[in-house]
Amino acid sequence: EVQLVQSGAEVKKPGESLKISCKGSGYSFTSYWIGWVRQMPGKGLEWMGIIYPGDSDTRYSPSFQGQVTISADKSISTAYLQWSSLKASDTAMYYCARQIGGGSDYWGQGTLVTVSS
Amino acid sequence: EIVLTQSPATLSLSPGERATLSCRASQGVSSYLAWYQQKPGQAPRLLIYDASNRATGIPARFSGSGPGTDFTLTISSLEPEDFAVYYCQQRSNWPYTFGQGTKLEIK
Repeated sequence: EVQLVQSGAEVKKPGESLKISCKGSGYSFTSYWIGWVRQMPGKGLEWMGIIYPGDSDTRYSPSFQGQVTISADKSISTAYLQWSSLKASDTAMYYCARQIGGGSDYWGQGTLVTVSS
Repeated sequence: EIVLTQSPATLSLSPGERATLSCRASQGVSSYLAWYQQKPGQAPRLLIYDASNRATGIPARFSGSGPGTDFTLTISSLEPEDFAVYYCQQRSNWPYTFGQGTKLEIK
């Protein structure tokens, strides 16, 4: 069974760093792109970036370039999304999703990040 | 960046009725358009990929049409579990983009 399991909810202060994870199982982790999607409270979905764990090829949406870092460790089938200095505006639900040819067929359960002083 | 505009923002219908949701792209995306359903507190679920192909396990009452710039998601006869928010998404050009969503609510 294909699964993407994300790390748990986080509460952080502005300026702190954070790395959240997305662990894949039940399929060849290195053969599919993994994307990260942001959903701010009560809002729609936004693409942040995607990574190909096989060779760590990474693309960022212009809105998120320089704001976050996407990485992957194929040895443990895990993708990451990290911030070096969080802002209150980073408060959101973050999803990882496996990319097949036509769309995102499996999604993680989401990681809620709350940034508040 | 390709902008996807969904209409209407909210659609109020009754179970058993037909729902038609639209998604217009700011430039041609060929058939590289997907539709997702999201219910409160849940991750999105892939319904349709490449404009008109149902994803695994998606009931036949869901159908999609395209290609080009104007796309439609049709739900032929609404079931109670279909009331949710629907998003279109293009993968023709990076960055991939979503529409702003259509909320399908019970009338």
